[in-house]
Amino acid sequence: NFMLTQPHSVSESPGKTATISCTRSSGSIASNFVQWYQQRPGSAPTTVIYEDDQRPSGVPDRFSGSIDSSSNSASLTISGVKTEDEADYYCQSYDSSNEDVVFGGGTKLTVL
Amino acid sequence: EVQLVESGGGLVKPGGSLRLSCAASGFTFSNAWMSWVRQAPGKGLEWVGRIKSKADGGTTEYAAPVKGTFTISRDDSKNTLFLQMNGLKTEDTAIYYCTAASMNFDPYFFYYWGQGTLVTVSS
Repeated sequence: NFMLTQPHSVSESPGKTATISCTRSSGSIASNFVQWYQQRPGSAPTTVIYEDDQRPSGVPDRFSGSIDSSSNSASLTISGVKTEDEADYYCQSYDSSNEDVVFGGGTKLTVL
Repeated sequence: EVQLVESGGGLVKPGGSLRLSCAASGFTFSNAWMSWVRQAPGKGLEWVGRIKSKADGGTTEYAAPVKGTFTISRDDSKNTLFLQMNGLKTEDTAIYYCTAASMNFDPYFFYYWGQGTLVTVSS
């Protein structure tokens, strides 16, 4: 299987823009959809972006997703970061060859 | 309202077995691809395995670490998903989440999540 690599942590000040990357180790990032999940301490994950760039209803439009074939990576961008956005964020995709699901290692977003 | 409620977690000795259940409601369970995802204490998310809907063949796929020791099954008449775990190891200690895909989206997208059940493997 390929791997999805995320930065271990990202810090940003309130009101600024935070970007979390997710780099695919082999195969094209565009081959399979990428999802992003938010997980606050003690809670189950929830979806903030699905199918690369789609936002579920109820998720603020401050959250956006994109993919970049040149860097073979996906990105989660949170504009106007708020303290309530502090959480762990995971990207997720799957391997077409065997249908295995792959998660990134997670990124801890700190807003300070 | 969609609900996924896991049960069956607890403390088990290494080499032991445990069966987790996930009761689903609020969506058409029989049409959904269902998966288990786990999270070891302080660690990231790890996919455990999946069972497809009967309409899509009802087949199962497993992550390499659990292949041959974990078995996923479903009872569509009771809207319930199961995870049979045998030969448990200390590294299987984790919160186990039940997840469901939606027919309206990519089937590998975990649209719904349960709150999880904790499995602790320790002597």
